[in-house]
Amino acid sequence: EDQVTQSPEALRLQEGESSSLNCSYTVSGLRGLFWYRQDPGKGPEFLFTLYSAGEEKEKERLKATLTKKESFLHITAPKPEDSATYLCAVQASGGADGLTFGKGTHLIIQP
Amino acid sequence: GAVVSQHPSRVICKSGTSVKIECRSLDFQATTMFWYRQFPKKSLMLMATSNEGSKATYEQGVEKDKFLINHASLTLSTLTVTSAHPEDSSFYICSARDLRDSPLHFGNGTRLTVT
Repeated sequence: EDQVTQSPEALRLQEGESSSLNCSYTVSGLRGLFWYRQDPGKGPEFLFTLYSAGEEKEKERLKATLTKKESFLHITAPKPEDSATYLCAVQASGGADGLTFGKGTHLIIQP
Repeated sequence: GAVVSQHPSRVICKSGTSVKIECRSLDFQATTMFWYRQFPKKSLMLMATSNEGSKATYEQGVEKDKFLINHASLTLSTLTVTSAHPEDSSFYICSARDLRDSPLHFGNGTRLTVT
């Protein structure tokens, strides 16, 4: 069974204080690992897809990296508007097309 | 980019009634759409995969007679919660992708409250 574990569950940072969110996964063949951002009362918003170990993707203050067992979402010099829940999800190869999600990391950036 | 529209955003209904939620892909065709359910501080749980022109595929533990899914066209899937009860109160989110290996794009969800 595919599993995704995210840590920490919640993280409070000061504006400008960089940090990393972790996503550990077990999957029977990885087709893709996805990062989403979810604001309260909204659907998830796509951020990144990573396909193979060693791959990195960047967007503004966010950078996602991937190894064979985990992914990190690095947040550099965050701003209050980066406050959200960040979700990690995996898609297995050879299986259904749906995603398996972690519980997310609730990130709060204080001004 | 791919846009998925979901309606309504909120609905309150009485116990025993049925509620229909619509999910549309606005600028692409989706042969497959996915319905998720989310509880507070929990993961998004895949309920079912909606296939255009054929029956939906339900995840283990999801009652197909309670959660009716219809995918009548390449841009529209509907989820009907039949004979709703308070325990069905939740946040329901649909998603779709335009190409097989492209990321899933999500609607903004429907907050269902059953009184």
